[in-house]
Amino acid sequence: SAVISQKPSRDICQRGTSLTIQCQVDSQVTMMFWYRQQPGQSLTLIATANQGSEATYESGFVIDKFPISRPNLTFSTLTVSNMSPEDSSIYLCSAHRGPVNEQFFGPGTRLTVL
Amino acid sequence: KNQVEQSPQSLIILEGKNCTLQCNYTVSPFSNLRWYKQDTGRGPVSLTIMTFSENTKSNGRYTATLDADTKQSSLHITASQLSDSASYICVVRGASSNFGNEKLTFGTGTRLTIIP
Repeated sequence: SAVISQKPSRDICQRGTSLTIQCQVDSQVTMMFWYRQQPGQSLTLIATANQGSEATYESGFVIDKFPISRPNLTFSTLTVSNMSPEDSSIYLCSAHRGPVNEQFFGPGTRLTVL
Repeated sequence: KNQVEQSPQSLIILEGKNCTLQCNYTVSPFSNLRWYKQDTGRGPVSLTIMTFSENTKSNGRYTATLDADTKQSSLHITASQLSDSASYICVVRGASSNFGNEKLTFGTGTRLTIIP
């Protein structure tokens, strides 16, 4: 299995500010993924982060709002920019590994925007 | 449109009892189906992964079944424990010629509560 850690685990932020979430994987992975899980909902893919290229964003998510960095094969960051209360959510980092691309998830970052 | 539907939305059972959670999907072409357990405030943790050719897979007290013909899966929990209280999410990976970039489709989960 893969061990994925995230920082911070939770934060409370003011409207209009930005928060950067860090994700560290315990071994090299090609793709890393960022998900959002709104209260009572399932996971929604925000973007796929590949090392050495720009992230690929899903419909409804844009780079200006959710810039992503992927400086190496074990690390990625997601920034939630110009936050509003609608951004209050759990943000999860993920990676896959193995012959069936088993998907592993970080513990999540619980963001509350006031 | 690829969809994964789970039932029931929520379930409350007594400690020690068994229960079965259902998952129906329309994802095609199909690669594999996973069941995850998500404790409150935590990230999902994989319980089982089943490919097209697998009908049953067990992980301790968890047993998953898959009927690829009817596009249905179930997760059976035996002799439930208080620690089983969590959301259980069914996730289907579609098949693609671009290996490694196939999309996951998530169900909305079943919220299971075990009471003493």
